[in-house]
Amino acid sequence: SQQGEEDPQALSIQEGENATMNCSYKTSINNLQWYRQNSGRGLVHLILIRSNEREKHSGRLRVTLDTSKKSSSLLITASRAADTASYFCATGTHASGGSYIPTFGRGTSLIVHP
Amino acid sequence: DGGITQSPKYLFRKEGQNVTLSCEQNLNHDAMYWYRQDPGQGLRLIYYSQIVNDFQKGDIAEGYSVSREKKESFPLTVTSAQKNPTAFYLCASSINVRLANQPQHFGDGTRLSIL
Repeated sequence: SQQGEEDPQALSIQEGENATMNCSYKTSINNLQWYRQNSGRGLVHLILIRSNEREKHSGRLRVTLDTSKKSSSLLITASRAADTASYFCATGTHASGGSYIPTFGRGTSLIVHP
Repeated sequence: DGGITQSPKYLFRKEGQNVTLSCEQNLNHDAMYWYRQDPGQGLRLIYYSQIVNDFQKGDIAEGYSVSREKKESFPLTVTSAQKNPTAFYLCASSINVRLANQPQHFGDGTRLSIL
């Protein structure tokens, strides 16, 4: 099964700075999703970008998708201490039986220092 | 509020014991999933279910079993055959497993440890 891989594994920044994390994947996809996970909690869906979209915004989040390079980036602008969390990308396509099961990367651990 | 409830939050298993993790959703979603998360690794799919009384193995189903007797409930049993069960277990749901452009909704997980 294909899997997105996030880069960097860990990122440490100061409050107010921008945080950029990247996701690379191996085969063609229907869409790419970004999720956030606070320590000891479940994942929370942030944004979904379809394969025919190149950029999407949601509040302080900006996601880009480059299908020719099989990569996506998540930019968090003007970061806050509350943005401290792990961020995962999830990619997938339909399996032969018609099911769509996204697969998750290992995540980027973001620490924002106040 | 609609959501997914996992219980218990912490669970301890003795050698040779089966334990069952609960997952309940009130989102009226057809599809439900179980993932395992180990430190430094991504989520790995254990089982998923499209509808009641139907479920499919994921990438790491060995040593686990599930049931889907009700739309709202998808319990996971970690059997004694699972030799390394210590992990964080996450349950998720989505509207329909065949719809690609739909997010998954997650519970807050159960942390299972060996005594």
